Amino acid sequence: AQSVTQLGSHVSVSEGALVLLRCNYSSSVPPYLFWYVQYPNQGLQLLLKYTTGATLVKGINGFEAEFKKSETSFHLTKPSAHMSDAAEYFCAVTSPFGNEKLTFGTGTRLTIIP
Amino acid sequence: SAVISQKPSRDICQRGTSLTIQCQVDSQVTMMFWYRQQPGQSLTLIATANQGSEATYESGFVIDKFPISRPNLTFSTLTVSNMSPEDSSIYLCSVETGRNYGYTFGSGTRLTVV
Repeated sequence: AQSVTQLGSHVSVSEGALVLLRCNYSSSVPPYLFWYVQYPNQGLQLLLKYTTGATLVKGINGFEAEFKKSETSFHLTKPSAHMSDAAEYFCAVTSPFGNEKLTFGTGTRLTIIP
Repeated sequence: SAVISQKPSRDICQRGTSLTIQCQVDSQVTMMFWYRQQPGQSLTLIATANQGSEATYESGFVIDKFPISRPNLTFSTLTVSNMSPEDSSIYLCSVETGRNYGYTFGSGTRLTVV
């Protein structure tokens, strides 16, 4: 079984400050990990993903995440927050076997303070 | 990656009625996934639909309440039956289109039951 824990249901940062959204996973097999963003009244958009290879992955809109197996973590970061980053962020995990479901974390709502 | 057309985008329905949600994918996919996102919550998998076989439902979801059709490799429907206000949610379909692309989501159907 796989699971994801997102620490902090709400995170507020000032515009221009570092964004750090935390995600820890549990998986009995090597995980594939994803971050999705959901803007108000919209669907889910893939920010970035880790499957194999380089553990530091870069995504859209300046976001990146690092897979740390020893810490079972996949935290999302962005050096400088922008007002347009305000949204709900979901971390998700699946297995490497293909055609498997995604298991989502509970989400983190990011608020940007002007 | 795949493009999913999901409709309707939103609907307001009377309790006791049923609503059928459609998802059309622009490429052939083996599995389609149906998720529910209750207000302010994360995404929960309802069922996995494989073409040519019965859908596989997650714990807490039953076929009588959420019948699914998967007539071909590009199309699926989810019906929310005998609706109650508790069914008010966003319903999303999703497909995996190759491990390099992650999972693509439809834009969602925002359902309000009154």
